[in-house]
Amino acid sequence: AQRVTQPEKLLSVFKGAPVELKCNYSYSGSPELFWYVQYSRQRLQLLLRHISRESIKGFTADLNKGETSFHLKKPFAQEEDSAMYYCALRYNYGQNFVFGPGTRLSVLP
Amino acid sequence: DAGVTQSPTHLIKTRGQQVTLRCSPISGHKSVSWYQQVLGQGPQFIFQYYEKEERGRGNFPDRFSARQFPNYSSELNVNALLLGDSALYLCASSPTPTGNTEAFFGQGTRLTVV
Repeated sequence: AQRVTQPEKLLSVFKGAPVELKCNYSYSGSPELFWYVQYSRQRLQLLLRHISRESIKGFTADLNKGETSFHLKKPFAQEEDSAMYYCALRYNYGQNFVFGPGTRLSVLP
Repeated sequence: DAGVTQSPTHLIKTRGQQVTLRCSPISGHKSVSWYQQVLGQGPQFIFQYYEKEERGRGNFPDRFSARQFPNYSSELNVNALLLGDSALYLCASSPTPTGNTEAFFGQGTRLTVV
């Protein structure tokens, strides 16, 4: 069965410090991995996907099939990055996502 | 903002009652998916509909049902409500049911079962 784990419920860093939000998955097929973000009082929105290999708001994530991981990284955290981050796996080429439990990132001034 | 709209935003029901939640997708989007998000957890997939047909179903009991209308809007129905059904119900729409297209989420309906 498909599963996504995010080991940290809460991650606090100081402004300007590097950030790494961990995500591991289990899926026997070829996975599509995503990071979704939810800012305070806003709806869930796509941050980035592994297929596009792009950097959004300074965040990057690399799919490591050997370690079954898709960690989200940013070299210098900003206060506006404080939000809830969800790692998600899409399977069967549909729009059915398996979400992890989420990590709340708090960037301190 | 012509995003995904859900109604109502909040709802309180009693155990055993039935509830209907509504979702209007972004104009031009033909696929709608429903998710349940229990407090402290990530969203969990319930259903996907495309062109009025069910395209996917998550691991939820038969008390949960949904349908999609010709205008692509959708309703999620939950019968015989249990306390454990209390959650945020999210609707997501996308242009197609497959492929490399982005899913856009609504603000959700917060259901409380007492």
